[in-house]
Amino acid sequence: DTAVSQTPKYLVTQMGNDKSIKCEQNLGHDTMYWYKQDSKKFLKIMFSYNNKELIINETVPNRFSPKSPDKAHLNLHINSLELGDSAVYFCASSQPPHNEQFFGPGTRLTVL
Amino acid sequence: QKEVEQNSGPLSVPEGAIASLNCTYSDRGSQSFFWYRQYSGKSPELIMFIYSNGDKEDGRFTAQLNKASQYVSLLIRDSQPSDSATYLCAVRSGGFKTIFGAGTRLFVKA
Repeated sequence: DTAVSQTPKYLVTQMGNDKSIKCEQNLGHDTMYWYKQDSKKFLKIMFSYNNKELIINETVPNRFSPKSPDKAHLNLHINSLELGDSAVYFCASSQPPHNEQFFGPGTRLTVL
Repeated sequence: QKEVEQNSGPLSVPEGAIASLNCTYSDRGSQSFFWYRQYSGKSPELIMFIYSNGDKEDGRFTAQLNKASQYVSLLIRDSQPSDSATYLCAVRSGGFKTIFGAGTRLFVKA
């Protein structure tokens, strides 16, 4: 019954590696998001897709590449991981008219 | 000026008291306003949203919006220790982007 799910929950990896995080929502929402929450707990938008189309692309290094194979899935691939990429990454989804967002459980990424 | 500002706290209130959390925003075109609660190590969960000036009540929670003053608040009545968390204010303009404040940490003392 999980509305927004993410895998993996924890990811520990070495600098320079490439990793992916997957997100799925079963709410039937058209819009999905990736957020980064750093150690200071500030939640910052990275990307948003609406019906598989990229609509928000914040100032994020191009090592980060989102991909939406269908409107229920939004994945995040990160190349050449750096120490500063360590954070919790949240996926979320929303639907008009008010676009209240529902968040996944988060993926805690630790780059060593 | 930050787009969405909240007092980082911590705000400490005794059990049973009213907790008042405040948020100001800079974009006058903002249309929808949200309050999320985030427990440590967990994801943000929606408490309520408001889009019209005035008050909106849901159980022990009341959201208040004043667009002229660019101000939105959340009142928690009869605060419980389980309400201890970080409360995030979020504001959405006409597009798809929602801006989150840095959050206010609330402690409810038993």
